[in-house]
Amino acid sequence: SAVISQKPSRDICQRGTSLTIQCQVDSQVTMMFWYRQQPGQSLTLIATANQGSEATYESGFVIDKFPISRPNLTFSTLTVSNMSPEDSSIYLCSVVGIGTYEQYFGPGTRLTVT
Amino acid sequence: RKEVEQDPGPFNVPEGATVAFNCTYSNSASQSFFWYRQDCRKEPKLLMSVYSSGNEDGRFTAQLNRASQYISLLIRDSKLSDSATYLCVVQANTGFQKLVFGTGTRLLVSP
Repeated sequence: SAVISQKPSRDICQRGTSLTIQCQVDSQVTMMFWYRQQPGQSLTLIATANQGSEATYESGFVIDKFPISRPNLTFSTLTVSNMSPEDSSIYLCSVVGIGTYEQYFGPGTRLTVT
Repeated sequence: RKEVEQDPGPFNVPEGATVAFNCTYSNSASQSFFWYRQDCRKEPKLLMSVYSSGNEDGRFTAQLNRASQYISLLIRDSKLSDSATYLCVVQANTGFQKLVFGTGTRLLVSP
């Protein structure tokens, strides 16, 4: 499976600010996704990061709040904008490799908003 | 009704025990099914895909019952290291590979 890294691994941010999370994969992948896992909850899909075009957002998530970029097949960013304490969560990217349908997850970014 | 439902547990079992988890899903058109394992404060890791014919990987056996829309995971000879949360995951029948996660079943294996 691909090796996936995320930066930063954790951060503590003030409300009203924005944080950009990076996801880097060591090989080309077909699909990249961004998930959120709130404390004590399971994972919720935020959006599919599409290479070279706008991301596809799930119900309840909007581009103004969670802008996503995917400039190539191995890299994506998620920005959490105008943060509030409710955005405190773990944010994970996942990928699907070429020729497979299985998803693998990055180590996650633990965000705390004060 | 949730798309994927699991008993949250915890399941407390002694080492060497056999334990089984079940999961039900609501979308009859779902195509693919997986079990992921998540350790505390870590990312989910793919444990195994679940095939229609059932599949086994060492001490782990997964079964799929499409008619009843449930998936099971059996762990034999439990180890302390099996303690984790087990996530039942269903792939929706859409053009891209959206996964829907259950809330997870927590397993605690004790000496």
